[in-house]
Amino acid sequence: KQEVTQIPAALSVPEGENLVLNCSFTDSAIYNLQWFRQDPGKGLTSLLLIQSSQREQTSGRLNASLDKSSGRSTLYIAASQPGDSATYLCAVRRAGYSTLTFGKGTMLLVSP
Amino acid sequence: ETGVTQTPRHLVMGMTNKKSLKCEQHLGHNAMYWYKQSAKKPLELMFVYNFKEQTENNSVPSRFSPECPNSSHLFLHLHTLQPEDSALYLCASSQDPVNSGQGYHNEQFFGPGTRLTVL
Repeated sequence: KQEVTQIPAALSVPEGENLVLNCSFTDSAIYNLQWFRQDPGKGLTSLLLIQSSQREQTSGRLNASLDKSSGRSTLYIAASQPGDSATYLCAVRRAGYSTLTFGKGTMLLVSP
Repeated sequence: ETGVTQTPRHLVMGMTNKKSLKCEQHLGHNAMYWYKQSAKKPLELMFVYNFKEQTENNSVPSRFSPECPNSSHLFLHLHTLQPEDSALYLCASSQDPVNSGQGYHNEQFFGPGTRLTVL
């Protein structure tokens, strides 16, 4: 059974810092990995999708990497801003299935 | 309306009530999903519909009954719920290949969720 772990569970940083969120998964037979952002009480916003054959994806100040063989992904946020404060969720899609398995998320607080 | 919409946004119901959650996607996708998000727990997949056919049921109790009349609409019918069913219910959609397992599955887009409280 696929398990997804996100470290740290919570992170508080001052504005302007570069930071890294970690995601690990136990079964490397994945099709893709998706990073989401969730604001309190709201739905999920897709940030980046990495296919299993890819090593990284970039969107603006966000960069996500994938090391499928070691079961790890990182989300790098450059020059963090207070508006980046949210919970960041990592989810992996098992090969041949529609199922996304989610981690519990990292709650990020960026203070001005 | 754009993206994935859900109604109602908030719902309070007693254990003997019957209610329905509605999801509509305006993205032309062929797959729709129901997820449950409880406090302190990861998002849990409940149901998957692909081309209006239910393809996955993740051991969900029968008091939750999904309905997918077409590829744009998805309902979750609720009856005789328990207080532990209180959670945020999220709908998502994606454009998936016809044959699961071939090719890459595209990203899932989520609605804003329905916050359900069962008294």
